Amino acid sequence: RKEVEQDPGPFNVPEGATVAFNCTYSNSASQSFFWYRQDCRKEPKLLMSVYSSGNEDGRFTAQLNRASQYISLLIRDSKLSDSATYLCVVSPLSGNTPLVFGKGTRLSVIA
Amino acid sequence: SQTIHQWPATLVQPVGSPLSLECTVEGTSNPNLYWYRQAAGRGLQLLFYSVGIGQISSEVPQNLSASRPQDRQFILSSKKLLLSDSGFYLCAWRKGVAGGRETQYFGPGTRLLVL
Repeated sequence: RKEVEQDPGPFNVPEGATVAFNCTYSNSASQSFFWYRQDCRKEPKLLMSVYSSGNEDGRFTAQLNRASQYISLLIRDSKLSDSATYLCVVSPLSGNTPLVFGKGTRLSVIA
Repeated sequence: SQTIHQWPATLVQPVGSPLSLECTVEGTSNPNLYWYRQAAGRGLQLLFYSVGIGQISSEVPQNLSASRPQDRQFILSSKKLLLSDSGFYLCAWRKGVAGGRETQYFGPGTRLLVL
């Protein structure tokens, strides 16, 4: 089983749609969780951290289910500018152990 | 505030030539430093990471090497490039504290094409 698994997509959705990405991780001792966004030919950038109680940032909502080792990202009212690859990222317990990145889910928002 | 620099932005090199990519971080001390490679349309591949000066951990055996001569400087090198070394090379930094809750920040990357 891969450490972090994501549906690679692509997800092609119309503007205004709601889209959800899922991610599963294999290490039950994982400590922290993040979603990164990577635009074409650019470096990944932090979109949001994922907290145990779930958290929201504008149109973006992240959820964590530790029992199922499952993370989700919900984007409401999709914009053309949301088109990007979304990377699920998991952090082991130690701060010195590298983050584990999923391969990403590609989203295309269509006018 | 912290910033991370990488250069050059793009590089075209012949097969068999040497490589040196440099990454520097400003505004923080004793960061954990990372080198990744991303092939076209693929995910991130961790190549090396360092938790301190002179400390290098290699994730993937290959013809690349890394060095950390100063606290905030991380260098990726090769003596002889292969065609398969083409890709997008990203340097990143992160605070190395217990708990692993720190965010990781990436440099702008170097796009390498080996011909």
